[in-house]
Amino acid sequence: KQEVTQIPAALSVPEGENLVLNCSFTDSAIYNLQWFRQDPGKGLTSLLLIQSSQREQTSGRLNASLDKSSGRSTLYIAASQPGDSATYLCAPRGGADGLTFGKGTHLIIQP
Amino acid sequence: GAVVSQHPSWVICKSGTSVKIECRSLDFQATTMFWYRQFPKKSLMLMATSNEGSKATYEQGVEKDKFLINHASLTLSTLTVTSAHPEDSSFYICSARLLAGSSYNEQFFGPGTRLTVL
Repeated sequence: KQEVTQIPAALSVPEGENLVLNCSFTDSAIYNLQWFRQDPGKGLTSLLLIQSSQREQTSGRLNASLDKSSGRSTLYIAASQPGDSATYLCAPRGGADGLTFGKGTHLIIQP
Repeated sequence: GAVVSQHPSWVICKSGTSVKIECRSLDFQATTMFWYRQFPKKSLMLMATSNEGSKATYEQGVEKDKFLINHASLTLSTLTVTSAHPEDSSFYICSARLLAGSSYNEQFFGPGTRLTVL
């Protein structure tokens, strides 16, 4: 059974800093991995999707890397802004169709 | 593009009643939709996988007779919580998988439905 761990659980930093959020998963036999953000009481917004054959994906200030063999992914946020405050979730997709989620990193960017 | 809607966004019901939640893919067809549940300060947990025109596949520990799933069309899946009890109170989120183009296998999530059972 896939288990996903996200570190840190919470992070509070002043705006402008570059951040790294970490995700590790126990079963490396995955098809892809998605990063999401979730605002309080809301659904999920897909940020990046990395296929198992890829090493990284970039979208704007976000960059996600994937080391499938070691079961790790990182989300890099450049020049953080208060609007980036949210919970960030990583979710690898294994043999089954559904995603397995970590508990997320609760991020607060101080103005 | 790739917008998923849910209705209702929140519902309060009495214990013992049934509640239906709709999940729609607004601008794409989704042969597969997924239902997740999220308790406060917990991870999202997959409940079931819904395939259009066939029976849903439930995760271990999820009662199929309690959580009825119907996926009658390529754009609509419904989750009915039957005989709801307070312990069913949760945030229910659906997702749909996009099949075409470069976003193959990417899942897009609805805004969620907050269910409170009194």
